[in-house]
Amino acid sequence: DGGITQSPKYLFRKEGQNVTLSCEQNLNHDAMYWYRQDPGQGLRLIYYSQIVNDFQKGDIAEGYSVSREKKESFPLTVTSAQKNPTAFYLCASSTGILNYGYTFGSGTRLTVV
Amino acid sequence: GQQLNQSPQSMFIQEGEDVSMNCTSSSIFNTWLWYKQDPGEGPVLLIALYKAGELTSNGRLTAQFGITRKDSFLNISASIPSDVGIYFCAGQTNALNRDDKIIFGKGTRLHILP
Repeated sequence: DGGITQSPKYLFRKEGQNVTLSCEQNLNHDAMYWYRQDPGQGLRLIYYSQIVNDFQKGDIAEGYSVSREKKESFPLTVTSAQKNPTAFYLCASSTGILNYGYTFGSGTRLTVV
Repeated sequence: GQQLNQSPQSMFIQEGEDVSMNCTSSSIFNTWLWYKQDPGEGPVLLIALYKAGELTSNGRLTAQFGITRKDSFLNISASIPSDVGIYFCAGQTNALNRDDKIIFGKGTRLHILP
């Protein structure tokens, strides 16, 4: 079955370290997205990519970086410049025909200690 | 920019009760979507609405696309414990514009009392 996979489910890192979150999809979707979720904040867009080798900043891109070298993969790096990285991170993908909605992964909970 | 105002922010209900939540915007949307997020998981699409006035059901869930295209509501009938979670509304203005994105509300957190 096709789907979108995020790994790992839980991630612990020391303050000041960079960390990369994985997102892989086998849905043949062109577009992929990264969201951050904090309690009471809803979903906030970090970065998105409409096509391979191209990506755009979302509303809260500072302290994050991404790459889109393959259609199936859209990894997110949380850098040491991100001041409050502890959060639940969600990856999503879509066909590019947006009224079909997004398909979400099951999320990665990052805790920085 | 475009914003979706979702209410209520949270709800505490008894099992078996009906639930109603809504989403409003000052902008017109061409598509309304309703998602549910179980604790610790990603959101899952429940219902998609594509036409003003459209009323769509999915089991105990019913959603409507407002006539003005600026609002939508979701009703859940006879709630059960597995209905617990966060419900997000989402809207989209131009399905064929690759630069457009889906806009999400902040969610309604549903709690069910035993």
